[in-house]
Amino acid sequence: AQTVTQSQPEMSVQEAETVTLSCTYDTSESDYYLFWYKQPPSRQMILVIRQEAYKQQNATENRFSVNFQKAAKSFSLKISDSQLGDAAMYFCAYRSPDITFGTGTRLTIIP
Amino acid sequence: GAVVSQHPSWVICKSGTSVKIECRSLDFQATTMFWYRQFPKQSLMLMATSNEGSKATYEQGVEKDKFLINHASLTLSTLTVTSAHPEDSSFYICSAIPGLARNNEQFFGPGTRLTVL
Repeated sequence: AQTVTQSQPEMSVQEAETVTLSCTYDTSESDYYLFWYKQPPSRQMILVIRQEAYKQQNATENRFSVNFQKAAKSFSLKISDSQLGDAAMYFCAYRSPDITFGTGTRLTIIP
Repeated sequence: GAVVSQHPSWVICKSGTSVKIECRSLDFQATTMFWYRQFPKQSLMLMATSNEGSKATYEQGVEKDKFLINHASLTLSTLTVTSAHPEDSSFYICSAIPGLARNNEQFFGPGTRLTVL
């Protein structure tokens, strides 16, 4: 079974600064997808960014980017210019084809 | 993006009663829907995979007779918690995938908070 590990239960960052959330996973497959989801206090799961394992180029979405290291099975999320609205639980997820979520990282933005 | 709705958003029921939660894909057809359970400050735990027109596939440790899933159409899946007890109190989230492609994005419903008294 695949496992997804988020080693940082909580993180905080000053507004406008940059923060990186860590995620590692374990799999024997070569074709899979990785995701970062955001869950704000409303508890609605929101897709932040996704990465196809066959793509070497790191995905980016505006202020959000990933550092995908396939050999190391690492998939970290970098949030640049942090905003108050970024405060949420962030879940890393692996999919092939069923999805497995990590335990989550609670991100606090300090004004 | 595509929209998935859940109804009700919250429900309170007495112990021993049954509760039905609906999950609908509003603007796409979903061959596959998923049901998750989330305890406070924890991650989402997959309960079962719901396939239209066939029996749901339950994860290990999830009682299929307790959590009845029906995926009667390409836009609707229901989860019925039968003979609910206080330990069933939780946040239940459904998600749906448009079409069959593995890389299709999974869209989540807003969740249903169940409280069993």
